[in-house]
Amino acid sequence: AQKVTQAQTEISVVEKEDVTLDCVYETRDTTYYLFWYKQPPSGELVFLIRRNSFDEQNEISGRYSWNFQKSTSSFNFTITASQVVDSAVYFCALSEGGTGANNLFFGTGTRLTVIP
Amino acid sequence: GAVVSQHPSRVICKSGTSVKIECRSLDFQATTMFWYRQFPKQSLMLMATSNEGSKATYEQGVEKDKFLINHASLTLSTLTVTSAHPEDSSFYICSASSVLYEQYFGPGTRLTVT
Repeated sequence: AQKVTQAQTEISVVEKEDVTLDCVYETRDTTYYLFWYKQPPSGELVFLIRRNSFDEQNEISGRYSWNFQKSTSSFNFTITASQVVDSAVYFCALSEGGTGANNLFFGTGTRLTVIP
Repeated sequence: GAVVSQHPSRVICKSGTSVKIECRSLDFQATTMFWYRQFPKQSLMLMATSNEGSKATYEQGVEKDKFLINHASLTLSTLTVTSAHPEDSSFYICSASSVLYEQYFGPGTRLTVT
């Protein structure tokens, strides 16, 4: 079974619009970590955030914010006032276990295109 | 954050030849290294997990005789694609972790087999 589901394959928004990327995960572990990565055309993965299963507080970092809800097994990512430089593929990932250093299960990714 | 390098960044090879990709943790000792593969417009899939000094653990469907992984030191792991074929063309990404450090990704190696 898919451990991480990103239902949105592609999203296009006009610059300055807000956009939310959805992520739903599945695990039987009580301790786990969730991640978001950005992958620009160059291919390198850019780390955005790591959140452990015991910390349900939402987080904001500049134009980025994350909403973690264990009740719905979701870890959604919102970009406020999108910019062309935000265009990339975004991956949500899950690491089971207590350290966050175990292998990651990646979702299929959401390709975001920000139109100027 | 910790730095992980990969070499080469791009490689083109002929069908039937072997290619070696290096993954190095530059500023920490990585007890575990992971190798992922990403086909065009697809997600990253774990190929194998290697712990320093022991044999790699391969995911189901990954041929261990074709993808040779060596983790000889705490800062270096290598992936050798033996007898490469066009269907092996992909983006290969390694990551490294330790007890103290979470997983850090290398910049990836784009392999094209002609």
